[in-house]
Amino acid sequence: DAGVIQSPRHEVTEMGQEVTLRCKPISGHNSLFWYRQTMMRGLELLIYFNNNVPIDDSGMPEDRFSAKMPNASFSTLKIQPSEPRDSAVYFCASSLGGVWGNEQFFGPGTRLTVL
Amino acid sequence: GENVEQHPSTLSVQEGDSAVIKCTYSDSASNYFPWYKQELGKGPQLIIDIRSNVGEKKDQRIAVTLNKTAKHFSLHITETQPEDSAVYFCAASMGNYGQNFVFGPGTRLSVLP
Repeated sequence: DAGVIQSPRHEVTEMGQEVTLRCKPISGHNSLFWYRQTMMRGLELLIYFNNNVPIDDSGMPEDRFSAKMPNASFSTLKIQPSEPRDSAVYFCASSLGGVWGNEQFFGPGTRLTVL
Repeated sequence: GENVEQHPSTLSVQEGDSAVIKCTYSDSASNYFPWYKQELGKGPQLIIDIRSNVGEKKDQRIAVTLNKTAKHFSLHITETQPEDSAVYFCAASMGNYGQNFVFGPGTRLSVLP
């Protein structure tokens, strides 16, 4: 298995532009997580899905952020409009939910820079 | 909600020595505690985990201990090697079907040759 796949790996954009990050979870996993990592705030959970349904989006910082999971093999995280403070590494992770204590497998991350 | 603290934030040890990283959590309902290792430019990777019905778990040079009463758990790495140098994160979860992890701030471990 190729593991969790994220694209792009790096994104540089200007303030005000729309940014879309993409994730393909491991086949067969039914839980998907979006995290943001910064030096100041560490690893923060933004939102997670179970069976393509958003379960908890309380970590989404504001309305500029939105996430979708149209099917079991694809998810997007969108920022519109982007701001310099959104600069971070965004990770997608997947796991086999429904079982106590299942490993989350992380993708390589997308490094976002908003100028 | 759950809050996870982690100490120390940085740790330097000589190759061959042991390293210990400690975490505390606030929510007594948490019952699953994974440890992740993150190398530069990569995503975190699970190295060991422990469930609340177990007090200790060992996997070769790595061990984790859990004290539910005190709400703290620790990672022990023995016979450290340069390739152990990385950032280590602890996490706590209530282990529900959603697997909502709360991560500690991380410990940067440097193993000096």
